[in-house]
Amino acid sequence: NAGVTQTPKFQVLKTGQSMTLQCAQDMNHEYMSWYRQDPGMGLRLIHYSVGAGITDQGEVPNGYNVSRSTTEDFPLRLLSAAPSQTSVYFCASSPNSNQPQHFGDGTRLSIL
Amino acid sequence: KQEVTQIPAALSVPEGENLVLNCSFTDSAIYNLQWFRQDPGKGLTSLLLIQSSQREQTSGRLNASLDKSSGRSTLYIAASQPGDSATYLCAVPNTGFQKLVFGTGTRLLVSP
Repeated sequence: NAGVTQTPKFQVLKTGQSMTLQCAQDMNHEYMSWYRQDPGMGLRLIHYSVGAGITDQGEVPNGYNVSRSTTEDFPLRLLSAAPSQTSVYFCASSPNSNQPQHFGDGTRLSIL
Repeated sequence: KQEVTQIPAALSVPEGENLVLNCSFTDSAIYNLQWFRQDPGKGLTSLLLIQSSQREQTSGRLNASLDKSSGRSTLYIAASQPGDSATYLCAVPNTGFQKLVFGTGTRLLVSP
């Protein structure tokens, strides 16, 4: 029972590089979200999706893109990495709006 | 804009004590509230989800209460154990049901 799987677990990038953080869930959940966690700031919502083909912005979307071509996958793309994007990124999923969210173990990203 | 505050930021207790963690939110028009646990270097694990129509929810040694009118929730942990040591976060939906707003958490240390 894999749940929510995030890859990679760790990544170091140089300023200006691009990359994609992967998120996959095997629970057939419609709802998926990306958060970033920073010291003293708590978790903040970046983007979310309520089903395949449907995405929307959260609180801090700038510098990030998402797509949802399948129910299982919800990748997060950093277009041109900046040091301010150094953070721990979490992906979460839930069956609907009124059920608990299941979180992955996170991707720790450092931008030099 | 919904804001969530958790007090205290850190708590240290001896094993066996009963303890209460507090969560307050500014907009009482919520339809649920969630409590999560986060272990160091890990993702979040959902502990309890309270619907707006409920006043409390119980799971084992954990009991969460919700008072919408006052904008408060408490998480009661009975007979604390060293394995309870973790950061506890509460979260409520913002204007959109998928847009969770998190508190910054209470870091709990239970000493043997």
